[in-house]
Formats: sequence, structure tokens, C-alpha cells
Amino acid sequence: DVKVTQSSRYLVKRTGEKVFLECVQDMDHENMFWYRQDPGLGLRLIYFSYDVKMKEKGDIPEGYSVSREKKERFSLILESASTNQTSMYLCASSPWTGYYGYTFGSGTRLTVV
Amino acid sequence: RKEVEQDPGPFNVPEGATVAFNCTYSNSASQSFFWYRQDCRKEPKLLMSVYSSGNEDGRFTAQLNRASQYISLLIRDSKLSDSATYLCVVNDDSGGYNKLIFGAGTRLAVHP
Repeated sequence: DVKVTQSSRYLVKRTGEKVFLECVQDMDHENMFWYRQDPGLGLRLIYFSYDVKMKEKGDIPEGYSVSREKKERFSLILESASTNQTSMYLCASSPWTGYYGYTFGSGTRLTVV
Repeated sequence: RKEVEQDPGPFNVPEGATVAFNCTYSNSASQSFFWYRQDCRKEPKLLMSVYSSGNEDGRFTAQLNRASQYISLLIRDSKLSDSATYLCVVNDDSGGYNKLIFGAGTRLAVHP
């Protein structure tokens, strides 16, 4: 089974801190994605990557950046955390075609105080 | 208009009931369709893909109507363990990249 591992299950950070969320997948998938999920809004795509060192903006990239230095690892960075970034963050991966759906990590619930 | 629209529910049904969820999508060029299940405070997990001819997996049946841009999920003989949020998912390959668009989900609560 594909495993997508997110480094933290729960995080509490202060406003203005730089926050790193890490995601690692073990099935050599080309595609990786970062979503946030908020009640009533569903999953919203922040950034995605189709190859090492490649990144594309999703629907809500403002306030975030990403890094993909190795194929298996995709990091989400909150440059200066704000309270409106309190959310559940979900990482996902898929093979190149994407026609088989995504596999998600277990999520990181981030609270910014 | 949202790209993928679902009735948020909740649908409250007794065990053994049959329940159907509907979903509409706006991109007529979409080629791949899925239903995901998400339990409370957990990540979404793929329930089933949806094929043009319709497909069944045990108590679950998925249908696709391309002309109406409509997808459905039917659950027969509901179990308590079916209680979850069901996400309708459609692919979007505009812009040269294939990515999935998620509906906000329909919540199902099955009671004894």
C-alpha cells in the first residue's frame, strides 16, 4: 500500500512564526499536492508538484510556499503564520496520470494562536 | 458556480435503508470521477472510481451521466459503519496539469 506520511498530527504555532509541514511518500509517485480543509469549504488546493524542483500554484497559494528537493518529499511552508491559516492540512500523492485517484496522508491540524 | 456541487446533508437514515447522493460538475471535459469517504477527523480515502457504464462494489453503486454532468452514489442496506462524509471528485486537466477537484461532501449518519 502507498503510504503518505505527514510529520505532525497536531501543531500549535504563534502568529508570525515560520511553519514547515513535511510530507513523504514511499511509492515513487510523480505528483504531490497540498490541500487545506475547512468546515463547509471542502478541500482547497494550495500548491502541487509534478516533478522534483517543480511547483505550481493551486487555488489559494497566498501566504504559502513549497519545496520539492527530492521526489518523495514535498514541504509546505507558511512564511509568517496567521490565525486565518488555522486549518487541517492534507498532503496527497498520485502516479503521473492521476487517473487512479490520490492517496492522502493523515493530515496535520494546525492551530495558529 | 462551484466546480463540483453536492448536497451537504446531513442524511440521517436507519440501518438497512437505501440512500443516494448526487453530485453535479461544471467541466464537461472531465474524464475521471471518484467517490471518496472521509471519517470524522481523518483523511479522505478512495471509495470507488466511477465509470461511464456505471459500476458496483458490494452495497455501493456509482452512476455517471455525462450529458447532464451528474454523478450519483447509491448505498444499499446501510450499516452504522457507513456513517461518514462522502466526497464527489472530478478531474480537471485544464492548464496542462491533471488535478482533482473535490466537492465539499455529503454527510451521512446511520442510526440503529
